[in-house]
Amino acid sequence: LAKTTQPISMDSYEGQEVNITCSHNNIATNDYITWYQQFPSQGPRFIIQGYKTKVTNEVASLFIPADRKSSTLSLPRVSLSDTAVYYCLVVRLTGGGNKLTFGTGTQLKVEL
Amino acid sequence: GAGVSQTPSNKVTEKGKYVELRCDPISGHTALYWYRQSLGQGPEFLIYFQGTGAADDSGLPNDRFFAVRPEGSVSTLKIQRTERGDSAVYLCASRRTGEMNTGELFFGEGSRLTVL
Repeated sequence: LAKTTQPISMDSYEGQEVNITCSHNNIATNDYITWYQQFPSQGPRFIIQGYKTKVTNEVASLFIPADRKSSTLSLPRVSLSDTAVYYCLVVRLTGGGNKLTFGTGTQLKVEL
Repeated sequence: GAGVSQTPSNKVTEKGKYVELRCDPISGHTALYWYRQSLGQGPEFLIYFQGTGAADDSGLPNDRFFAVRPEGSVSTLKIQRTERGDSAVYLCASRRTGEMNTGELFFGEGSRLTVL
C-alpha cells in the first residue's frame, strides 16, 4: 500500500479552518483515503473516507484531486476540543482486509 | 457489546513475566487487528486476523509475541518473557469485511502495559 506523508504538527486558533494535507504518491486504483483522529489515552477514531473529489460529513471535508496523489482534510471552525493527532491512511477495500499502517500523524494544537 | 472491549486496561508486570491481553471485537466484525503504540508515535501494526486465521503477522516484533483468535471472535495477545521495551499501549481494532466493508477500523481504549 502507498506510504503517506503528512506534517508533524500544526497550530491554529479557535474558529479558524484547518487544512491538513497528506501525500500518497503511489496510491493504487482501488485504494481509498481514510483519516483518523486520536485523543490522548484513547484509540484512534474514524473521521472520513473518500476515493476522489470531495466528501463531506458532519465533522470534516476531504478533498482529493484528480490524480489522487494527495488529499486534504479540512476542519471547519476548529475548537479547543479538536486538539488531537490526525492520521491519514491508504486503505484497500477489496479482499478480506489488509495491513492498515499508521504513520506518525499530524499533531494539531488549537489555542484560544 | 456496542464497541471493542479490551482488558485489562492497565497491566503492570515484572521483566521476564508472561502477559495476556484480551480483545473482544464488535459482533460480526470478521477482521481484527492488534497495534502497539508508544508515546509520541503512531500505532504500530502487529497482526491482523481474518476470521480465525492470522492473515498477516508481519508486525510481530519477535517470537515472544503471539496472538490467537480460536473462534473468530475474541482474540488474545500473548507476550512471553516480557522486557522493559515491551511497555506500550496495545490497541485492538475490528473491522467489517465483505459487502459492508467501509475500511473503518473501530478501536478499543487500549491496554497499557508497563514492564518494570
